[in-house]
Amino acid sequence: GAVVSQHPSRVICKSGTSVKIECRSLDFQATTMFWYRQFPKKSLMLMATSNEGSKATYEQGVEKDKFLINHASLTLSTLTVTSAHPEDSSFYICSAIKQSGPNEQFFGPGTRLTVL
Amino acid sequence: AQSVTQLGSHVSVSEGALVLLRCNYSSSVPPYLFWYVQYPNQGLQLLLKYTTGATLVKGINGFEAEFKKSETSFHLTKPSAHMSDAAEYFCAVSGGGGYNKLIFGAGTRLAVHP
Repeated sequence: GAVVSQHPSRVICKSGTSVKIECRSLDFQATTMFWYRQFPKKSLMLMATSNEGSKATYEQGVEKDKFLINHASLTLSTLTVTSAHPEDSSFYICSAIKQSGPNEQFFGPGTRLTVL
Repeated sequence: AQSVTQLGSHVSVSEGALVLLRCNYSSSVPPYLFWYVQYPNQGLQLLLKYTTGATLVKGINGFEAEFKKSETSFHLTKPSAHMSDAAEYFCAVSGGGGYNKLIFGAGTRLAVHP
């Protein structure tokens, strides 16, 4: 199998605080992980590409100091939303590509962030 | 650069009727094409994908899609809709002969009524 988990599944925080979201590949090693953002009733927008042991590559318009990505191991990538504001409220989804085998993206179940 | 256009943000069909969800793409390189399904508050599940070879691709849950290069299309079909098919469907493209960096369409919400 190829299972990707995210934690937490849902988080509510106060404006100005930071929130960390974890993305884990449970049964495979992932060379690359992706972070997406999905607004209500909208499509997925790629935020950044995360490679193990190196700096993430951010898409145009995504603030790297706002959305900190760390990919410290082949099974874990984290997204930290710093100094969160209500406009950061969204559904965040990660995906991972296996280190071996076809480069198919396997998606996590998503994290619903609500900033009050 | 790649892009995806999904015609129709909402599609409604009767149970047992044909499902047709339209997807057109733009790509400067031979594309890899995907259809994903998303149920409320969940991540994405791969329905099917086209990489190379046979242009008619069969996926899970009875869905299939046909890659038509001349029409730059990759429409998703299912002969007979089931109530459990109600969900959001996304078409996606990646370029460069790989799976990296998916570009998603806006999505089509499929409603199935009795």
